[in-house]
Amino acid sequence: GEDVEQSLFLSVREGDSSVINCTYTDSSSTYLYWYKQEPGAGLQLLTYIFSNMDMKQDQRLTVLLNKKDKHLSLRIADTQTGDSAIYFCAERGSGGYQKVTFGTGTKLQVIP
Amino acid sequence: SQTIHQWPATLVQPVGSPLSLECTVEGTSNPNLYWYRQAAGRGLQLLFYSVGIGQISSEVPQNLSASRPQDRQFILSSKKLLLSDSGFYLCAWSRPGTGNGELFFGEGSRLTVL
Repeated sequence: GEDVEQSLFLSVREGDSSVINCTYTDSSSTYLYWYKQEPGAGLQLLTYIFSNMDMKQDQRLTVLLNKKDKHLSLRIADTQTGDSAIYFCAERGSGGYQKVTFGTGTKLQVIP
Repeated sequence: SQTIHQWPATLVQPVGSPLSLECTVEGTSNPNLYWYRQAAGRGLQLLFYSVGIGQISSEVPQNLSASRPQDRQFILSSKKLLLSDSGFYLCAWSRPGTGNGELFFGEGSRLTVL
């Protein structure tokens, strides 16, 4: 079955860049996503990339997709304390139901 | 605009007791509906999804069941809770058909089984 893996924890200093990495196994993925979860809350879509793209930039966020290696990354420039959260990588398959599979989440801690 | 509500937000239940978590979506029709469970260090596990009234698919065998009695209502139930059912339960919806497949999540229900 599909599998999505991420490291569990990342700590960065305020103002530095954060890079969160993700690997996935489904070669038929259509969309790949980054969701953000604030403490005790649900998830919100942060950004997404279509599988035929290799980069997407949205203000402080840069998503890089290496489809050959099935590797996705999220770079947050000028990381702020408000960016502290859990970040989930997810991929959507191409089957009839188009199931979305989530990774374990990476907890980002921003040190002032 | 569309909104999603789930309740209760927090629940403490003894082992063997029943469970009912409810989720409703407003502002859209015929949404795809989902129940996820989030356990510490294990990410999000899809439990059930539904593409229409009375249509429920289960992703993993378990002690839980789901029902969709109305178009925008999704209920997660158990007849007898186990300790292992503790976790953070998230309801979500997505637009049917093509599109980017974005999931819209509720605020979650934290279940503690003692």
